[in-house]
Amino acid sequence: KAGVTQTPRYLIKTRGQQVTLSCSPISGHRSVSWYQQTPGQGLQFLFEYFSETQRNKGNFPGRFSGRQFSNSRSEMNVSTLELGDSALYLCASSRVLTGPGELFFGEGSRLTVL
Amino acid sequence: AQTVTQSQPEMSVQEAETVTLSCTYDTSESDYYLFWYKQPPSRQMILVIRQEAYKQQNATENRFSVNFQKAAKSFSLKISDSQLGDAAMYFCAYRNRDDKIIFGKGTRLHILP
Repeated sequence: KAGVTQTPRYLIKTRGQQVTLSCSPISGHRSVSWYQQTPGQGLQFLFEYFSETQRNKGNFPGRFSGRQFSNSRSEMNVSTLELGDSALYLCASSRVLTGPGELFFGEGSRLTVL
Repeated sequence: AQTVTQSQPEMSVQEAETVTLSCTYDTSESDYYLFWYKQPPSRQMILVIRQEAYKQQNATENRFSVNFQKAAKSFSLKISDSQLGDAAMYFCAYRNRDDKIIFGKGTRLHILP
């Protein structure tokens, strides 16, 4: 069974540009969530989608957005990039939306903003 | 707002010894779930162990066990017979039924051969 796939794995952008990251969940998983990981802040929740609907949102500015498609694949977009957006962006999928459901993580997309 | 605190940014343990990672959380909820996730260097994060708050019995998974103290809002992870493959960043996480999951900032565990 294929795991969670994130693309691209590495990317370099400059300030002011925008970026789109993609996440393909494990087959049959309908929940996809996104996280930003930085050395100083640890792992911070961005948003979560279930059946194409955003169910939860973290405390990030509106420059961060996402969506989920009918096949459960998800994308997140960051517009007007800032230096502080440099981070590892992790995607996770789960069979269920709430409760004790185990999260299955991808390897992440490492974004560097210059 | 719920918070998760891991007070030990880094820890080291001798191979084959036992180590305990600390985690405290703050919540006004009574029904929630707690997790420990492991992120090995350059590898995917995986679930180590989870605990439902309504269960009094501490969860155990092979060499990994937790000490869940609901009243104290404490959820520590004990790793017995530490192995080199246990070297990783460990994240404690909290989630109530309908809300987002909240992670602590992590504890980096070094295993000394």
